[in-house]
Amino acid sequence: AQSVAQPEDQVNVAEGNPLTVKCTYSVSGNPYLFWYVQYPNRGLQFLLKYITGDNLVKGSYGFEAEFNKSQTSFHLKKPSALVSDSALYFCALGRRDDKIIFGKGTRLHILP
Amino acid sequence: EAQVTQNPRYLITVTGKKLTVTCSQNMNHEYMSWYRQDPGLGLRQIYYSMNVEVTDKGDVPEGYKVSRKEKRNFPLILESPSPNQTSLYFCASSFGRGNQPQHFGDGTRLSIL
Repeated sequence: AQSVAQPEDQVNVAEGNPLTVKCTYSVSGNPYLFWYVQYPNRGLQFLLKYITGDNLVKGSYGFEAEFNKSQTSFHLKKPSALVSDSALYFCALGRRDDKIIFGKGTRLHILP
Repeated sequence: EAQVTQNPRYLITVTGKKLTVTCSQNMNHEYMSWYRQDPGLGLRQIYYSMNVEVTDKGDVPEGYKVSRKEKRNFPLILESPSPNQTSLYFCASSFGRGNQPQHFGDGTRLSIL
């Protein structure tokens, strides 16, 4: 079965520290993977995607993600967290039948 | 400005009273989709459309209908709403197929009493 999992409901990081939000996936064939961010009372905003190519993908607002095929992971990272990064983050998997599966979301709290 | 517009943003209604949530995009996107967001469950895809007159079920289509008569519009119809359809709904669109980044509307919060 094709799926995506975000194992952490919440992640707390001190401002200025590096942050990681985890995502693992299960898919037959090559995956299409995405990260989105949701701020309160807003729709989701696209951060970055992996379709093929370099395993390190750079995206918006200084975020990047590392695709690891052997560990079936696509973790979101940022070298130095900002308080304004506090939000709800979703990992998503695009399937070959054009359905899209989202993870349950990880709430990121950046502590001043 | 490129955008996905949903209406209404908020609606409180009663069980069994048919309702429609409209979605319109001005980016000439082929792919459009509806999701519901529930606490602890993330986003779940209800229906999606690859182009005009082409619609397919997502993972939670029961109790919903959609239509795609024009490229820009993708309304979500609840023929006989029930309390378990109380949720936050999002419409999204993208170029091409489901393997492209999606643009999301700001959401519609539905409460079915």
